[in-house]
Amino acid sequence: DGGITQSPKYLFRKEGQNVTLSCEQNLNHDAMYWYRQDPGQGLRLIYYSQIVNDFQKGDIAEGYSVSREKKESFPLTVTSAQKNPTAFYLCASRLTNYYGYTFGSGTRLTVV
Amino acid sequence: GENVEQHPSTLSVQEGDSAVIKCTYSDSASNYFPWYKQELGKRPQLIIDIRSNVGEKKDQRIAVTLNKTAKHFSLHITETQPEDSAVYFCAASISPGNQFYFGTGTSLTVIP
Repeated sequence: DGGITQSPKYLFRKEGQNVTLSCEQNLNHDAMYWYRQDPGQGLRLIYYSQIVNDFQKGDIAEGYSVSREKKESFPLTVTSAQKNPTAFYLCASRLTNYYGYTFGSGTRLTVV
Repeated sequence: GENVEQHPSTLSVQEGDSAVIKCTYSDSASNYFPWYKQELGKRPQLIIDIRSNVGEKKDQRIAVTLNKTAKHFSLHITETQPEDSAVYFCAASISPGNQFYFGTGTSLTVIP
C-alpha cells in the first residue's frame, strides 16, 4: 500500500494518556516526517528525521516526541502535555536528495 | 521561514468548467512547488509539480504556472469531472533536503 504504513487508522485517547502512532516504510527512504492536519489549517510539521538516531523539531513539536532507532520506523508519541491532540496525523518519507514525498494513509486521533 | 498562502479555501464548479487555485509564497529561495490532491480520509497524492526554471507544466487536464517575480503559482484543472472533487494543497520547498511548507488547502467540489 504505497510502501509507507501508518497504524492504527483510528485511535482514541483518554485525557492524561500517552499514545504512540506507528509509521513504517520499506522504500529505503532516508528522511521521515510527521505532519498534523486540522480543518482549515493545512499540514503542519511536528518532527522530522533525516537519518537514523537524529531528528529535529518542526513548527508544532510541543507535546510530542519521536524516535528514529531504525531507518524504516519513525513512531510519534502524543504525550499528555499536548492539550489539543484531536487531529489527523500524516507520516511521510522521501530520499534525502529528492523532492517528492510519499505519504502514509494517516491516523485519526480522538480524545475521549 | 517560508509562508505559503492558498486561495480560495472552497471552490464549487459545474462539471466541465475550469477550476483555478492560487498560492503565494514569501521566500524567494523556494524553487520547488508541488500540488497534492487529498480525497476524504485518504493520503495526499502528488498530482503535478514545477521547478523554478520552468514557467508552466501540463499533464492532461492539469497544469501549473509559476511566476517567480511575483512569487505565486497556480493550479489549473480543465474539463472538471466529479472525481476531481477533493482537497488540493500547494507547497513550496527550498531544496530537496528541506521541508515542505504547505498551503491551507482548497476544497474543490465539482457539481454534476
